[in-house]
Amino acid sequence: DTEVTQTPKHLVMGMTNKKSLKCEQHMGHRAMYWYKQKAKKPPELMFVYSYEKLSINESVPSRFSPECPNSSLLNLHLHALQPEDSALYLCASSQEVGVGANVLTFGAGSRLTVL
Amino acid sequence: GQNIDQPTEMTATEGAIVQINCTYQTSGFNGLFWYQQHAGEAPTFLSYNVLDGLEEKGRFSSFLSRSKGYSYLLLKELQMKDSASYLCAVRGFDNYGQNFVFGPGTRLSVLP
Repeated sequence: DTEVTQTPKHLVMGMTNKKSLKCEQHMGHRAMYWYKQKAKKPPELMFVYSYEKLSINESVPSRFSPECPNSSLLNLHLHALQPEDSALYLCASSQEVGVGANVLTFGAGSRLTVL
Repeated sequence: GQNIDQPTEMTATEGAIVQINCTYQTSGFNGLFWYQQHAGEAPTFLSYNVLDGLEEKGRFSSFLSRSKGYSYLLLKELQMKDSASYLCAVRGFDNYGQNFVFGPGTRLSVLP
């Protein structure tokens, strides 16, 4: 079992829906990340949350909004998405940000389809 | 910014050795990572280099030359289950702080 848990594994939503992807890590890590991955493409960083500070990739549209209720949870709220937002959304965590061999541990991913 | 390049696809035979190259240009360097990703699954960590030289881990080895902005992943005694995408990722710095950026990935097909 992965130590980064993502729910749901699959989500189908319409363009007018509001939904959330949830991510929880059980390793006491201080940094959490959301990545978006399209088919046959590498993961693209969307958000980094570390030391109670959120860093945003400026290319990410505002219809995606992260929320960090506590240090072990990082949710991704989805609103008014477009079909091109259909992708695999990967949550990851690391012990620190940018220090030493801080390996990113990924969750299993949430497969999102926007109709 | 960061620019990472890898070959798109490679093919090798079961039992053989394959080397997957990665070149990078980054604003700041704080380590290079290799990940394996099977289709439809999450990436899993393989190796990490921050100093020049070779790191060996069983059938997998990874090499780094910081002056050349170059790394490779060496897979020995290939098995069918090694068919996957191999992602080179660099931890650097960018406009929004620490960043961990993946290269385009190399799809490896292992043939019997």
